[in-house]
Amino acid sequence: QKEVEQNSGPLSVPEGAIASLNCTYSDRGSQSFFWYRQYSGKSPELIMSIYSNGDKEDGRFTAQLNKASQYVSLLIRDSQPSDSATYLCAVTSSGYALNFGKGTSLLVTP
Amino acid sequence: ETGVTQTPRHLVMGMTNKKSLKCEQHLGHNAMYWYKQSAKKPLELMFVYNFKEQTENNSVPSRFSPECPNSSHLFLHLHTLQPEDSALYLCASSQEKAAEKLFFGSGTQLSVL
Repeated sequence: QKEVEQNSGPLSVPEGAIASLNCTYSDRGSQSFFWYRQYSGKSPELIMSIYSNGDKEDGRFTAQLNKASQYVSLLIRDSQPSDSATYLCAVTSSGYALNFGKGTSLLVTP
Repeated sequence: ETGVTQTPRHLVMGMTNKKSLKCEQHLGHNAMYWYKQSAKKPLELMFVYNFKEQTENNSVPSRFSPECPNSSHLFLHLHTLQPEDSALYLCASSQEKAAEKLFFGSGTQLSVL
């Protein structure tokens, strides 16, 4: 069973703070890692992808990958109320079948 | 129309009904997917079609029957469903060999009574 684990939250952070979202995965053969954001009542949208160990930055978002620890994280700097959503971690080894976590609910309070 | 569109947005059906979900993508993608999203469960991949050919069936019960007549259209035919099949059904598309970069439709919220 290829599992992707996330803390369901809710994770509450004040506006302007850094939100840190974490994900662990069980399949050591995983090659590609993604973060999707899902607003309430909406469909998921891809916000970050990462393929190699280390950090990848895109605007206020930073994805971090540590394959040895089977751990991927998403940092959101200067969090805004509009960042309040559920963040889904997704992992794949095959390229076709994405394994999703249950998601972490983030609430950014003004 | 742009992106991935799904109809209907909401569907209520009895266990003996037959209904179909429709998905259409306007992105020029070659792969299409059905996912199921239930409360407090991860997104579950149901079916994958690549160039109209089914490449994955993730042990889905036969009461769910997919159809992909071309690379732009995907259907999910439903019959004799169970109440536990109530969920949000999401269609997605991607370029071939970039399957992880999925573009999702808005979903069909299905309730089985």
